[in-house]
Order: sequence, then C-alpha cells, then structure tokens
Amino acid sequence: QKEVEQNSGPLSVPEGAIASLNCTYSDRGSQSFFWYRQYSGKSPELIMFIYSNGDKEDGRFTAQLNKASQYVSLLIRDSQPSDSATYLCAVGSGGNEKLTFGTGTRLTIIP
Amino acid sequence: EAGVTQFPSHSVIEKGQTVTLRCDPISGHDNLYWYRRVMGKEIKFLLHFVKESKQDESGMPNNRFLAERTGGTYSTLKVQPAELEDSGVYFCASSSSRHTQYFGPGTRLTVL
Repeated sequence: QKEVEQNSGPLSVPEGAIASLNCTYSDRGSQSFFWYRQYSGKSPELIMFIYSNGDKEDGRFTAQLNKASQYVSLLIRDSQPSDSATYLCAVGSGGNEKLTFGTGTRLTIIP
Repeated sequence: EAGVTQFPSHSVIEKGQTVTLRCDPISGHDNLYWYRRVMGKEIKFLLHFVKESKQDESGMPNNRFLAERTGGTYSTLKVQPAELEDSGVYFCASSSSRHTQYFGPGTRLTVL
C-alpha cells in the first residue's frame, strides 16, 4: 500500500464547474497536509495547507481534512483553463520534517 | 524575494561519470531539502539539512550520493559514479521555521 494515494487521472472538468481532488494517507501520525500544483516542466507550487480537521478556504480553493478517515481533499470552484495542471498531495509529520507525496492527479479544465 | 534556484536545469551524462547539482535556498531559510522524482513515480524525499547539519538522510539511496551544505547556505548533491537508475528530476526545497516548503524548478538528470 502506498503511503499517500491519489487517483492519477486524468480528471476532466468543464470550465466553471467544481473540480474535486482526493487523497488518502496511511500514517495516522501525520500532522500537516499540503496541496501543490505543478505545471508541466515547472516546480511544484504550494496552493493550500491544512493542519486541523475541517475545511479551509482560500479564494476559489477549499482544502478538507478528515483525520479519522485519513482523507484530504481539494475543491476548486469556478474552474478555469489555467487550473489545468497536476495536483500533488503531500503529507508531513509536523514541524520541518520531510514530506511524503502522492503521484499526483492530472486535472484538465475543458473550455 | 528570490525563490529557490537550482543549477543546472538539465544535465546529460554517461554512466560512470560524476555530476554535481546545486541548490540555492530562499535567503534566511535554515531548512533545505532534496527530493527526487523518477519517471512515473512520486516525488521522494532524499535528505534534509538544518543549516549546515544533516537532520535526516534516510532517503539517500546509496553511498554514491553525497550532499553538502557549506556554511548553511547553498547545497550541492553529487552523484558519483552515476548509474542509469539515477535519471530523474531532482528538486530542492527550503523552508523557514513556519514549515511550508518552497520548491525550486528542479534539475533534470539523464544518465545514458
């Protein structure tokens, strides 16, 4: 079993719709959760982080964390073509420890 | 504020040769990380520096890999001798005390 699992996609979503990206993790001791966006050939760019159970909203992005279910998700509202990228879920044990990544979900927004 | 920079952006070498990758973290970031992504796989942790000290090197694949961080500033990752399976994209990331890791553009290494 992989430590961090994501559906590799591709996930296709019409422009203006909500894109929902999901991630599960195996280490119950995980404390910090990150979503990175990566355009082809570019560096991973942090878009959201969440530490506590529940929802965290930042503009069009909402991260959701459920530690009991070991599940973290990212919702993108009003999807734009510029949101087309690979979204990486990363999990940490807290502090400045290493991150464990999923393989990423490739998202395509269809105009 | 300048981001994390890495050099070179691409490197093509032959099996058995040596390659040195360089990372300049964001100024003032004490934490520096090396990660690697091989084809089709997830990004995997290699090593974590706090200032000039190795905090965690549990991800280093073998003793052909040597990382240094001179004076707690930039870091180098040397692969000697390189093998075919070392091909991939090597990312560097840095963070301050606030935990969020910022990634560089990566070095794409191809070993022929």
